[in-house]
Amino acid sequence: KAGVTQTPRYLIKTRGQQVTLSCSPISGHRSVSWYQQTPGQGLQFLFEYFSETQRNKGNFPGRFSGRQFSNSRSEMNVSTLELGDSALYLCASSSRTGGVVNYGYTFGSGTRLTVV
Amino acid sequence: AQKVTQAQTEISVVEKEDVTLDCVYETRDTTYYLFWYKQPPSGELVFLIRRNSFDEQNEISGRYSWNFQKSTSSFNFTITASQVVDSAVYFCALSEIIQGAQKLVFGQGTRLTINP
Repeated sequence: KAGVTQTPRYLIKTRGQQVTLSCSPISGHRSVSWYQQTPGQGLQFLFEYFSETQRNKGNFPGRFSGRQFSNSRSEMNVSTLELGDSALYLCASSSRTGGVVNYGYTFGSGTRLTVV
Repeated sequence: AQKVTQAQTEISVVEKEDVTLDCVYETRDTTYYLFWYKQPPSGELVFLIRRNSFDEQNEISGRYSWNFQKSTSSFNFTITASQVVDSAVYFCALSEIIQGAQKLVFGQGTRLTINP
């Protein structure tokens, strides 16, 4: 069973640009969550998508957005990049069935974004 | 609000020593889930264990064991006879469920170094 796939693995962008990151969950998983990891703030929740709908959103500015497609693949977008957006962005998939998480979250290897 | 505290920022031990990673959490929920994840240098968060709030039984998996005590809101993780391959950053996390939506609240992590 293939794991969670995140692309690209590394990305360098310039301040003011926008970026799109992709996440393909484990086959059959309908829930995709995104987390930002920085040395200062640690791991912070961005948002969760389930059945193409955003179900939960963390405390991030509107520059951070996402979506989920009918095949459960998800993308997150960051517009008007700032230096502070440099981070490891991790995607997690789970076999959520509408209620509580049943089997935990499986994380991808992440996309390391550097903003210069 | 949910909170997870991992007071040990870094731990360094010699191979074959036993080591315990501490995790203390705060929540007002009566039903919640606790997790431990391992993050090797590659960046991926590797799922180790999930425990729900109604199951206070300790668990052992090979060299790993977990001690869950609701009375002290702790979920500690012990590695017995540590090995160099155990070197990683370990995260304790708590699931927060709000109106059917969920997210993980992570501790700051403990960097574990096992020296040969």
